[in-house]
Amino acid sequence: EAQVTQNPRYLITVTGKKLTVTCSQNMNHEYMSWYRQDPGLGLRQIYYSMNVEVTDKGDVPEGYKVSRKEKRNFPLILESPSPNQTSLYFCASSGVSGARSPLHFGNGTRLTVT
Amino acid sequence: GQQVMQIPQYQHVQEGEDFTTYCNSSTTLSNIQWYKQRPGGHPVFLIQLVKSGEVKKQKRLTFQFGEAKKNSSLHITATQTTDVGTYFCAGGATDSWGKFQFGAGTQVVVTP
Repeated sequence: EAQVTQNPRYLITVTGKKLTVTCSQNMNHEYMSWYRQDPGLGLRQIYYSMNVEVTDKGDVPEGYKVSRKEKRNFPLILESPSPNQTSLYFCASSGVSGARSPLHFGNGTRLTVT
Repeated sequence: GQQVMQIPQYQHVQEGEDFTTYCNSSTTLSNIQWYKQRPGGHPVFLIQLVKSGEVKKQKRLTFQFGEAKKNSSLHITATQTTDVGTYFCAGGATDSWGKFQFGAGTQVVVTP
C-alpha cells in the first residue's frame, strides 16, 4: 500500500532534549516536505526537499533541521526543543513536480514540549 | 513574501444548503490545490487547478481558479454530513517548485 509513515504518533518531551521525528515513503517520490499545524494558522511549511541531498527552507524553519540522505526518508530534527514547538507535525511527499503534484500526507505526529 | 488567506474560518451549514469558501493570495500562484482534513485525520488531496480561469467539478464540489491566478473558491452544493471537516487551499509559488503555502482552512460543521 502506497503510504507516508511518520513515527512516533505522539511524543511528550522536555525543553532542550534533542528529538527526531521520522518520515518514510514507499512511492519513490522525489519531493518531501514537513509542515506544522497550529489552530487558526493552517499548515505552515518548515522544510522541503526536491531530491536526495537537496533541501531548502520553508516559511518557519527556525529551530528545525532536516536531512535527505536517502530518497525514501526525510527525518525532522529538533536539536533543542522549546515549548513554542508544541504542535501537530505532518510529513508529505509527491512526485517529480514537487509542490505542483498532489501531496500525500502521513498521519501526523503530535509533539508536546514541556 | 507570498501570503494565502482563506475565508471564512468557520462555516456552520444546515444539511442540504450550499456554501462557498474563498482563498486569496497576495501574489500570483503557479497552481492551487485543495485538501480536506477530517477531524483527527490528515489532509487528503481533493483537486489541483493550474490554468487561469479553470473550473473543475467533483460531484457536488465546484472549484474555480481566478483569471489572475491569485484567488480560488470551493463551492459545495446540497451539503451532507459527510462534508464535515476542514478544507484547505494551498498555493504553489511561481519562483519555486518546492515552496507551498496553505491557507488557515475553513472548518465546516453540518447540522442535520
